[in-house]
Amino acid sequence: DVKVTQSSRYLVKRTGEKVFLECVQDMDHENMFWYRQDPGLGLRLIYFSYDVKMKEKGDIPEGYSVSREKKERFSLILESASTNQTSMYLCASSLQAGTGRGGYTFGSGTRLTVV
Amino acid sequence: DQQVKQNSPSLSVQEGRISILNCDYTNSMFDYFLWYKKYPAEGPTFLISISSIKDKNEDGRFTVFLNKSAKHLSLHIVPSQPGDSAVYFCATGSQGNLIFGKGTKLSVKP
Repeated sequence: DVKVTQSSRYLVKRTGEKVFLECVQDMDHENMFWYRQDPGLGLRLIYFSYDVKMKEKGDIPEGYSVSREKKERFSLILESASTNQTSMYLCASSLQAGTGRGGYTFGSGTRLTVV
Repeated sequence: DQQVKQNSPSLSVQEGRISILNCDYTNSMFDYFLWYKKYPAEGPTFLISISSIKDKNEDGRFTVFLNKSAKHLSLHIVPSQPGDSAVYFCATGSQGNLIFGKGTKLSVKP
């Protein structure tokens, strides 16, 4: 069964901390994505990557950075966590950009609380 | 401006009845449409899709209808079950990334 694995289900961090969210996929997908989900705002794209060492800004990149050193791993970094970054973070991957059967495969999500 | 709109943030339906979730899009170039289902504390899972060359796709209790002229798609769930209670996202795209609606929270009452 193909999988996208996010390293933590729940995380509590303090304001100002540097936070790393890790995502690994075992499907040899080229494309990987980071979203955050907030009530009433749906899924908002933070960053995405079409290849190793490549990254593109999504709709809300401010306060975040990413790293993709290996094809299977895509990390989201909160340089200095703030309370407005409390959210559900979702990683996804896809074989081809955007469309195609099944679209994206998502991980289970990381519920991050910044206090 | 939103390219994909789900105008109903929530929907409540009685068990056994039909649930109809709606989605509108703006770009006629979109050629593939998907529905995802999301339970709390889990990631979205793919439910059903349809390409722009079709107007209907059925999978068990789930049917997606596409009206290209109206730029509208809908998801029908018949009969609805309590386990269908979740947030449903429509998504669409063409050559670029998928664009998601904001979701509709479906509650199916026993």
